[in-house]
Amino acid sequence: DIQMTQSPSSLSASVGDRVTITCRASQGIGNYLAWFQQKPGKAPRSLIYGVSSLQSGVPSKFSGSGSGTDFTLTITSLQPEDFATYYCLQYYANPVTFGQGTKLEIK
Amino acid sequence: EVQLVESGGGLVQPGGSLRLSCAASGFSFSSYWMNWVRQAPGEGLEWVANMNQDGSVKNYVDSVKGRFTISRDNAKNSVYLQLNSLRAEDTAVYFCTSQISVGASWGQGTLVTVSA
Repeated sequence: DIQMTQSPSSLSASVGDRVTITCRASQGIGNYLAWFQQKPGKAPRSLIYGVSSLQSGVPSKFSGSGSGTDFTLTITSLQPEDFATYYCLQYYANPVTFGQGTKLEIK
Repeated sequence: EVQLVESGGGLVQPGGSLRLSCAASGFSFSSYWMNWVRQAPGEGLEWVANMNQDGSVKNYVDSVKGRFTISRDNAKNSVYLQLNSLRAEDTAVYFCTSQISVGASWGQGTLVTVSA
C-alpha cells in the first residue's frame, strides 16, 4: 500500500498569513493527488485534484503543486473560515490512501 | 447542483449487518466511479471501497474485505455498501463520494455505531 505522510500534523497561524502543508508519498504517484478540507462535525470538502486543479467554487487562495512523491498545499491570506483540518489523498493505486491530516489552528 | 445523500446508518450489535445507501443527483451518475470513505470518532479519513461505472470493478481496503460489499444501481442513481460481520472498530461516519480524479463531491455522511 502507498503511505501518505503529511507534515506538519498541526500548525498555528494568524489571519492573513500564508501557510504550506506538505504531503509525501511512499512511492511515485504521478499526478494522482487530491486535497480536502474538513471542519468539525462536517463532511470533507474537495479543494484540489490532479495535484493542482482547483475544484469548482474553491477560491484561488488555495493552490497545489508537486510531482512524483512530494506535494504541497498552499493557502494564502488566511481567513477565519480557513482554520480546519486538511487531508491529502493518493488515487494512483488501490487501496486509495489518505494522509493523517494537518490541523490548522488560529494563533 | 450535485447532491449525495447517505442513509441506512444506525446502532447495530457486533456481528450484525447494515446496508448503507447513497442517492445521487445533479450529475451523470452512471459515468463515474463511486467511493465510500469512513471516519471513526476523533480520527482521520479512511477510504473503504470503490466501484467503476458499470460495477465490474470493485476495490476494498484490507480491513473490510470479505465483510463489506459495494454495489450500485445506475437506474436509481444510487450506490450501496453492505456491511456484514460488523465489529466495534467499524464504528464511524460513512461518506459516499463521487469520482476523485475529476473533483469529488461528498455526502453529509451516515453514522454507524457497533456496540452491544
